[in-house]
Amino acid sequence: QQPVQSPQAVILREGEDAVINCSSSKALYSVHWYRQKHGEAPVFLMILLKGGEQKGHDKISASFNEKKQQSSLYLTASQLSYSGTYFCGTVLTGGGNKLTFGTGTQLKVEL
Amino acid sequence: DTEVTQTPKHLVMGMTNKKSLKCEQHMGHRAMYWYKQKAKKPPELMFVYSYEKLSINESVPSRFSPECPNSSLLNLHLHALQPEDSALYLCASSQGRVGTEAFFGQGTRLTVV
Repeated sequence: QQPVQSPQAVILREGEDAVINCSSSKALYSVHWYRQKHGEAPVFLMILLKGGEQKGHDKISASFNEKKQQSSLYLTASQLSYSGTYFCGTVLTGGGNKLTFGTGTQLKVEL
Repeated sequence: DTEVTQTPKHLVMGMTNKKSLKCEQHMGHRAMYWYKQKAKKPPELMFVYSYEKLSINESVPSRFSPECPNSSLLNLHLHALQPEDSALYLCASSQGRVGTEAFFGQGTRLTVV
């Protein structure tokens, strides 16, 4: 029941946009997005609760399609600091506090 | 303050040793988590404590023993580990209500020799 992310890896030039997708086969209660840089802990980006909401801050936003059990993370006007591995984390409906991480997307932003 | 503190940062232990990892948070969070992360892989959930009670155990081998002495502290006791247990061990905490954000500590890099 691990969520599947796509793409697995992406390389961007600074200023370009990217979309990272997260898909679950089971009903989701919430989707959490994290960024992890090499050798560091995952850093919380945002959380989306079921209800189909969209969230965002600065140039990073996300959406949650409850009917499709999918979430997407949108990175606009990418910066070098956006480089890292992005994980979605999902909590299933009725799953308590079980936060399961997706397969991960490696993002590299170059000059 | 969204700080979760883990000690030690690095640990090398032999297969016959007993050691403990420690995690502390002072955010008033009531759910605490242990994850294991191998290189280039996502964090894998090991245990979840909710309101100081073990609520989730992901079929982790008994050589890993969690303990939650109070709402701010979480320990992971290690005994008779194998080299394949070498990994980054991450602690996280959240408010305790389902679907609230979890914040991670910097992790303990464990090497079993």
